[in-house]
Amino acid sequence: GENVEQHPSTLSVQEGDSAVIKCTYSDSASNYFPWYKQELGKRPQLIIDIRSNVGEKKDQRIAVTLNKTAKHFSLHITETQPEDSAVYFCAAYGGATNKLIFGTGTLLAVQP
Amino acid sequence: NAGVTQTPKFQVLKTGQSMTLQCAQDMNHEYMSWYRQDPGMGLRLIHYSVGAGITDQGEVPNGYNVSRSTTEDFPLRLLSAAPSQTSVYFCASSYSSGQGRKLFFGSGTQLSVL
Repeated sequence: GENVEQHPSTLSVQEGDSAVIKCTYSDSASNYFPWYKQELGKRPQLIIDIRSNVGEKKDQRIAVTLNKTAKHFSLHITETQPEDSAVYFCAAYGGATNKLIFGTGTLLAVQP
Repeated sequence: NAGVTQTPKFQVLKTGQSMTLQCAQDMNHEYMSWYRQDPGMGLRLIHYSVGAGITDQGEVPNGYNVSRSTTEDFPLRLLSAAPSQTSVYFCASSYSSGQGRKLFFGSGTQLSVL
């Protein structure tokens, strides 16, 4: 089945810097890759997603890139702000199954 | 519009007890799923359903049962609770079981098994 690895597990940046979180997946049939943000004590919420027929997608300060050949995708946050501090999860949706498999999460801390 | 509603929010069980975590959604979503969240292990899929009457196993199904008798409800049953099942449980739903879609999460149930 699908396996998703996520790095780093923790990331600390200064306000205004960029942050990059990387994920790899194992199932070449996976075709949908969302990113979720979970603030402390809250439920995860979708912040951006990308499908396998697209290489990059941007939404204001957030962007996601996908390399299907290497089976990895990344989340890029520019001009980080303290409110970006949270746990971020990547996930992969397998084409042959209906399972959305998550990575282990990255705790992002933005220092003011 | 309530979205995805989970009950209870907190629960303490003794080893060997059974209980049911309730999940209901009012968005007419076909797809529903249960995840558990443990420190350092992310969100792990327990069971999921692509429609009423259809359920399937996720990554960590052992010790849990589910049923989907209606579109709205997807309860998760712990048959004989064990300390290893201490976790935060999230129910999530989405519009269809087709090619990828946004998951709406409930607020979670924090379960402790002593």
